Amino acid sequence: DTEVTQTPKHLVMGMTNKKSLKCEQHMGHRAMYWYKQKAKKPPELMFVYSYEKLSINESVPSRFSPECPNSSLLNLHLHALQPEDSALYLCASSLTAERYNEQFFGPGTRLTVL
Amino acid sequence: AQSVAQPEDQVNVAEGNPLTVKCTYSVSGNPYLFWYVQYPNRGLQFLLKYITGDNLVKGSYGFEAEFNKSQTSFHLKKPSALVSDSALYFCAVRDPTLTGGGNKLTFGTGTQLKVEL
Repeated sequence: DTEVTQTPKHLVMGMTNKKSLKCEQHMGHRAMYWYKQKAKKPPELMFVYSYEKLSINESVPSRFSPECPNSSLLNLHLHALQPEDSALYLCASSLTAERYNEQFFGPGTRLTVL
Repeated sequence: AQSVAQPEDQVNVAEGNPLTVKCTYSVSGNPYLFWYVQYPNRGLQFLLKYITGDNLVKGSYGFEAEFNKSQTSFHLKKPSALVSDSALYFCAVRDPTLTGGGNKLTFGTGTQLKVEL
């Protein structure tokens, strides 16, 4: 299995809702990432997990809460989001967090906040 | 600090012609360089990387890139473009001398490649 899967593909939520994004990989990778991407822009790093521990938080607002229950799973819990949080949310993984390792991206979750 | 520039927002090329998507970088030491492609409504797909060694790197789908240290460039090339190559291309850099954990890539702003019949 050489892919990163993300669910759901699309999500529409109100500003008072609580929802979660899920990411899964079965490549034995030990580093996992969340990115936010606006249309026609490069991805912006949000969080990095290395060996199931949070290693980077790019000063992301607390309404985004990541979780890494095990080495194959990565969640992003969403609460009280703002319309400007609407974007494509990409999950990625790499063999380890070493800097020479390429990242493998999932197809993304298209999030719309009303 | 590390940065990468993609000077062209869009590149148009006829099918069958060679294509070049430009990328220049700025890092303190020797860079780690990556190219990714993104098709509409999809995630990024890894094409190739330069870490060390041979300056000409071959990647997926017939793409290659040449690392040029003196010009601080890492241009993506393909000898014969296909309509199906039309997509958004991102160059990314990582400075291995930067301290701190994780694998934070700095992405360029992206170049939209349009291949026409």
